[in-house]
Amino acid sequence: DQQVKQNSPSLSVQEGRISILNCDYTNSMFDYFLWYKKYPAEGPTFLISISSIKDKNEDGRFTVFLNKSAKHLSLHIVPSQPGDSAVYFCAASAGFGNEKLTFGTGTRLTIIP
Amino acid sequence: GAGVSQSPSNKVTEKGKDVELRCDPISGHTALYWYRQSLGQGLEFLIYFQGNSAPDKSGLPSDRFSAERTGGSVSTLTIQRTQQEDSAVYLCASSPQTGGVGNTIYFGEGSWLTVV
Repeated sequence: DQQVKQNSPSLSVQEGRISILNCDYTNSMFDYFLWYKKYPAEGPTFLISISSIKDKNEDGRFTVFLNKSAKHLSLHIVPSQPGDSAVYFCAASAGFGNEKLTFGTGTRLTIIP
Repeated sequence: GAGVSQSPSNKVTEKGKDVELRCDPISGHTALYWYRQSLGQGLEFLIYFQGNSAPDKSGLPSDRFSAERTGGSVSTLTIQRTQQEDSAVYLCASSPQTGGVGNTIYFGEGSWLTVV
């Protein structure tokens, strides 16, 4: 039972345009959401997070949006840069401080120069 | 090194053999996690250690899997009588605190296990 779903295994975006990565979840107990970025042969690194009390969190070129009623979150990257090419994982946890993260299957983002 | 260190980076083993995967967390980090990623799957939680507390083993898929953490630092994940479905990347992570949030979790590069 995949509680966190990333339905697009891959995405290609032109450099300079906006990249939008989507994530859906089914567990209503999830209240903290994170995005991780993973380069080949490296471990995932934290990118940005959002708690359920917010609907938007922005950090530079990265913005995460949360729609609790739809159980949907998205990561926007603008403008997209070649160094953004990586696999992006959505993750969720239930209860602030619960670090047992549930991850999605990832979306491979390719930025086309 | 400054990061989470895992060994071996790659391991090919025959079905039925036991394997041990090692993790050296970041110095001073009290929390240590094991996750695995099978082909086409997301990262799957396996086990969590926090200081001297009993580990949270709720993610271990079977009794063939076990893990220990010695002296609150190095951890070893042991898989007995390996099966082909155990083939995956095994990721270790550490965190400097509990009650924190996911941004404090630092992952290693993973140990790629292939069972043939």
